[in-house]
Amino acid sequence: LAKTTQPISMDSYEGQEVNITCSHNNIATNDYITWYQQFPSQGPRFIIQGYKTKVTNEVASLFIPADRKSSTLSLPRVSLSDTAVYYCLVGDYFNSGNTPLVFGKGTRLSVIA
Amino acid sequence: DAGVTQSPTHLIKTRGQQVTLRCSPKSGHDTVSWYQQALGQGPQFIFQYYEEEERQRGNFPDRFSGHQFPNYSSELNVNALLLGDSALYLCASSLTRDRVLNTEAFFGQGTRLTVV
Repeated sequence: LAKTTQPISMDSYEGQEVNITCSHNNIATNDYITWYQQFPSQGPRFIIQGYKTKVTNEVASLFIPADRKSSTLSLPRVSLSDTAVYYCLVGDYFNSGNTPLVFGKGTRLSVIA
Repeated sequence: DAGVTQSPTHLIKTRGQQVTLRCSPKSGHDTVSWYQQALGQGPQFIFQYYEEEERQRGNFPDRFSGHQFPNYSSELNVNALLLGDSALYLCASSLTRDRVLNTEAFFGQGTRLTVV
């Protein structure tokens, strides 16, 4: 499974757009990029998943360049409730929906009023 | 539609004791995975159950065992507890499909285990 590297922490003011970049230089052809969000004392929650180019849903956007060696999670106009840990995961999580998830330490996002 | 439910939410045990944690998967899901999350770390995969059998296992000792029941609910058992077993134990459920649509994992709120 590809190893991921992401910033340990980030701070942002309310209303700003937040971009969290994840590096995954050894991503394999079958690997998808998946982001999870975790609030304190809760389980992680799926945010978004993509393979290439751009994916957008009601929560976030995911930008993936052509070489797929990195990806950027974009959260538009964050609020205090977006304060959480964000995990970037890379693996064959699409065709093998039950592949064990491999989490790193994630990025701790703190949103300031 | 209930999501993934875990019990108990908090638990305190003494070193050397045994503990059983429980998980009910999301309605319609048939696969249960267990994760251990130490403070400040990401969740680590323990094992996965499907059709009442352990299908995959992470790098955890045999002190960690599990079970899945016919109704798809699951238990995680830890024997001979160590201080280092103190963590948040998370249960995730999903639906096993072969190369069809992605089935994301849905996590419960976890059980906070403290070993003293």
